[in-house]
Amino acid sequence: QKEVEQDPGPLSVPEGAIVSLNCTYSNSAFQYFMWYRQYSRKGPELLMYTYSSGNKEDGRFTAQVDKSSKYISLFIRDSQPSDSATYLCAMTNPTGGFKTIFGAGTRLFVKA
Amino acid sequence: NAGVMQNPRHLVRRRGQEARLRCSPMKGHSHVYWYRQLPEEGLKFMVYLQKENIIDESGMPKERFSAEFPKEGPSILRIQQVVRGDSAAYFCASSPSRPATSTDTQYFGPGTRLTVL
Repeated sequence: QKEVEQDPGPLSVPEGAIVSLNCTYSNSAFQYFMWYRQYSRKGPELLMYTYSSGNKEDGRFTAQVDKSSKYISLFIRDSQPSDSATYLCAMTNPTGGFKTIFGAGTRLFVKA
Repeated sequence: NAGVMQNPRHLVRRRGQEARLRCSPMKGHSHVYWYRQLPEEGLKFMVYLQKENIIDESGMPKERFSAEFPKEGPSILRIQQVVRGDSAAYFCASSPSRPATSTDTQYFGPGTRLTVL
């Protein structure tokens, strides 16, 4: 079983839709949770960073962490064609060294 | 403020040759990480370095792969005697401090795409 599971998609939605992206994980020691966006043939860029459980909002993006269920989510409101990219979840265990574990990424297409 | 820089962006090697990938971290960042990404797969950690020290190389293949981050100059990921299975995108990231102990996180470069013929 992988430490971090993420549905690779692709996920196709119309412009303006609310997008929900999710990851599950198995290691309860993960404390830091990140979402990265990666455009085709580019490096990942950090979107959201959350420590432990709870919600965090930044513009059209909301990150949620539910440690009891080992489940994290990224919501994108009013999705735009420019949001079309691969979204990678990532998490870090501070007591297990620095290592950051990434999900496989979900490909998102937002149709105009 | 320049971001993480990687070069070359594309590298083609024949089987058996050596590949050298370079990474210059963001200004003020002293922690460097290398990742490999295969098509349709996520990023796989390879190695974590600070200046002149390898902190964690648990993701590095035991043979042919090495990494360094000298006191001066960029970090280098070296792959000796490349094979077709080494073809992938290699990403470097940097952070100002160890991310697992602070809110600082990793910023990625554009990657080097290695193709082994």
